[in-house]
Amino acid sequence: GAVVSQHPSRVICKSGTSVKIECRSLDFQATTMFWYRQFPKQSLMLMATSNEGSKATYEQGVEKDKFLINHASLTLSTLTVTSAHPEDSSFYICSASLLGNTIYFGEGSWLTVV
Amino acid sequence: AQKITQTQPGMFVQEKEAVTLDCTYDTSDQSYGLFWYKQPSSGEMIFLIYQGSYDEQNATEGRYSLNFQKARKSANLVISASQLGDSAMYFCAMREFGATNKLIFGTGTLLAVQP
Repeated sequence: GAVVSQHPSRVICKSGTSVKIECRSLDFQATTMFWYRQFPKQSLMLMATSNEGSKATYEQGVEKDKFLINHASLTLSTLTVTSAHPEDSSFYICSASLLGNTIYFGEGSWLTVV
Repeated sequence: AQKITQTQPGMFVQEKEAVTLDCTYDTSDQSYGLFWYKQPSSGEMIFLIYQGSYDEQNATEGRYSLNFQKARKSANLVISASQLGDSAMYFCAMREFGATNKLIFGTGTLLAVQP
């Protein structure tokens, strides 16, 4: 079964609204979670690295006020896309790390902003 | 700076034959890990194989093997006895275990297995 659960798998929201995506590690405590964005036929672009109890480290070019990442516990990280616009439509996927080479991915979330 | 390069946008292979997917990387860290993932059209990321920078032997996992050449900074994935179900996107990724601790991906290779 899945060790990282991501929810929702698909979401449609209206332009200007906010949407939250959850990433949960099941059966283990993740010290680090990564959030990625993937456009069709492109690679996974790292948006931010989220460490429990501390602020997320955002990659250059990623708007931290638009993509709010919270890692409140060792099993939960959330990504909130604020004031979403159609260009934010994408596939968002999280991963959780236990030890250096142990990394599990969520199932991903397809966001469509209309 | 941490960087991963996959120079093959797409590859064809005949069923039952072997195929090599190229990956080169650049890092200033001494401690790092290299990963290969498979991504079918559903979007899920399927872990295939891992190679640590200090591992002396090439990693193998069933039909997957990693041709690790540290001096050349390459970590090519070899898939033996290709199957139709191997058709997917394949991503090479690297994680530096130093200060950044980031996991970054290459641009991917789309593999098509032909009957």
